[in-house]
Amino acid sequence: DSGVTQTPKHLITATGQRVTLRCSPRSGDLSVYWYQQSLDQGLQFLIQYYNGEERAKGNILERFSAQQFPDLHSELNLSSLELGDSALYFCASSVAPGYYGYTFGSGTRLTVV
Amino acid sequence: GQNIDQPTEMTATEGAIVQINCTYQTSGFNGLFWYQQHAGEAPTFLSYNVLDGLEEKGRFSSFLSRSKGYSYLLLKELQMKDSASYLCAVSLRDGGSQGNLIFGKGTKLSVKP
Repeated sequence: DSGVTQTPKHLITATGQRVTLRCSPRSGDLSVYWYQQSLDQGLQFLIQYYNGEERAKGNILERFSAQQFPDLHSELNLSSLELGDSALYFCASSVAPGYYGYTFGSGTRLTVV
Repeated sequence: GQNIDQPTEMTATEGAIVQINCTYQTSGFNGLFWYQQHAGEAPTFLSYNVLDGLEEKGRFSSFLSRSKGYSYLLLKELQMKDSASYLCAVSLRDGGSQGNLIFGKGTKLSVKP
């Protein structure tokens, strides 16, 4: 157990629907990062939060949004889902931006049918 | 822009040594990470280089040359369980991207008996 908790582990939903992925960072970590990993693709950076505030955005679609709450957990909202959104979504946390690497959660596997 | 290159696939024999190369061109560089990822699982931390030179950790070693934008991961005494993808990732330094990890697409290593 890495200490980063992601729920749910698996999600199957239909095109056009909206889902919410949840991440609880490791105790003491203030930064949360979201990544998408499609089949045969590398980890694509989506968005970063630090202590409740958005710090950086990567290749995140406008249909996707995220937030980090006062208790530091984070949610990634995916709407108007398309088949191409099927992927593994990883959350990672670190003490602070720039700190010694990340700890990854076990991921949420999203399947859009 | 950010560009990280590593070979897509490699094959090696159990008990042998394999070197996985990574070249990078990024704006702002803090350090370089190597992660191991088994299929469908979370990436796990292997090594971190911030200064030029070799870092050794058991069967795994990682080398960095900042002037050449080059790193390699060396795996010795290969075991079947080392079959996995190996991800090279650059930690960015500048501004709002500080601390973000940008990943290469990964090298899928197959270890054969």
